[in-house]
Amino acid sequence: LAKTTQPISMDSYEGQEVNITCSHNNIATNDYITWYQQFPSQGPRFIIQGYKTKVTNEVASLFIPADRKSSTLSLPRVSLSDTAVYYCLVGPFSGTYKYIFGTGTRLKVLA
Amino acid sequence: DTGVSQNPRHKITKRGQNVTFRCDPISEHNRLYWYRQTLGQGPEFLTYFQNEAQLEKSRLLSDRFSAERPKGSFSTLEIQRTEQGDSAMYLCASSLGKHQPQHFGDGTRLSIL
Repeated sequence: LAKTTQPISMDSYEGQEVNITCSHNNIATNDYITWYQQFPSQGPRFIIQGYKTKVTNEVASLFIPADRKSSTLSLPRVSLSDTAVYYCLVGPFSGTYKYIFGTGTRLKVLA
Repeated sequence: DTGVSQNPRHKITKRGQNVTFRCDPISEHNRLYWYRQTLGQGPEFLTYFQNEAQLEKSRLLSDRFSAERPKGSFSTLEIQRTEQGDSAMYLCASSLGKHQPQHFGDGTRLSIL
């Protein structure tokens, strides 16, 4: 059962690249890593998912080192609308299905 | 793809009453999950269905909580004899398959008076 740890908060300026790291030392072999964005009074919104190495989509990149004990979400050129809480989710896709969300990182983007 | 729909969005009730929430997943998704989220915390896993079968329940899901997913379509989460500590956002998510990401609804916010 993987427990995850993230920085509580981060500040950034518009146009900068933001990297948020999630630590999951006890990740299991079958666990995937998924990142979500959440605005107040809304459900988490899927950003990106990966298992190992690097994954990139139109909004973000996800870096996972070989030991998979951490992962880094990279948001290129953030804007004010990226101000939100970001969660990493580590979950087995077989076995017990006990999905564990991180503590969440509150990102504030400044003008 | 109309997204995951949850009803009601808000529920206010008195302590001791029973409440029921409904979740309509994305139509082709066979997996459905329930989470609870309190203010300032990440979502906590409650239970999971694959089609109509409830495969896993968290220790957080006390005997007062029950979830169903008849015919593998929508799901309901019922809380009996509500307590102050049940006040939270209840989130539902669904996924297409074993290795697919979960997609969340906007939740039902429960307030216990």
